[in-house]
Amino acid sequence: SQKIEQNSEALNIQEGKTATLTCNYTNYSPAYLQWYRQDPGRGPVFLLLIRENEKEKRKERLKVTFDTTLKQSLFHITASQPADSATYLCALDNQAGTALIFGKGTTLSVSS
Amino acid sequence: EAGVVQSPRYKIIEKKQPVAFWCNPISGHNTLYWYRQNLGQGPELLIRYENEEAVDDSQLPKDRFSAERLKGVDSTLKIQPAELGDSAVYLCASSLDGKGGYEQYFGPGTRLTVT
Repeated sequence: SQKIEQNSEALNIQEGKTATLTCNYTNYSPAYLQWYRQDPGRGPVFLLLIRENEKEKRKERLKVTFDTTLKQSLFHITASQPADSATYLCALDNQAGTALIFGKGTTLSVSS
Repeated sequence: EAGVVQSPRYKIIEKKQPVAFWCNPISGHNTLYWYRQNLGQGPELLIRYENEEAVDDSQLPKDRFSAERLKGVDSTLKIQPAELGDSAVYLCASSLDGKGGYEQYFGPGTRLTVT
């Protein structure tokens, strides 16, 4: 079955540094990969989507890479701010392309 | 544009009681999803609707859970009877299309506590 692993449950960094979160997957090759942000008591919010034929995608201070050989996606937040503190979820489409499978998430804490 | 609306936001019930959650998706979104999210975990799909048709309910515990989406808009998820293990956040999401590659828009969720 499809498995998704996000490298760590928690990541603590200082303001201004670049945060890098990792998402690894096994057992299949998704056509799409998405990243969501979730704040406490709220639903996930879509951030970025990257397709299997795309190596990298950027949006403001966010950058996502997708390495289908390594079966890994990296999510970067440059010039991090305390407001970036949240849980970040990686999600892949299932083999049928009909649903998203989410990782457990990585909780990022940015200290000033 | 209004987002996905869910109610209630919180619900506390005793085990064996019934409970229902309501969702109003973003206008024009054909696909509606119900997810369950346990503490420290990512959301897990329970059921997906394309308009009024349930096209993926393989993860829905059908002995106690039921769902409907009348007229292809609002949806209701019901649990009867509730068990202690059903305590979780129930999230509703919608997307423009159910095919891969479309972002999903989530509601705030209903936090269910079963005592």
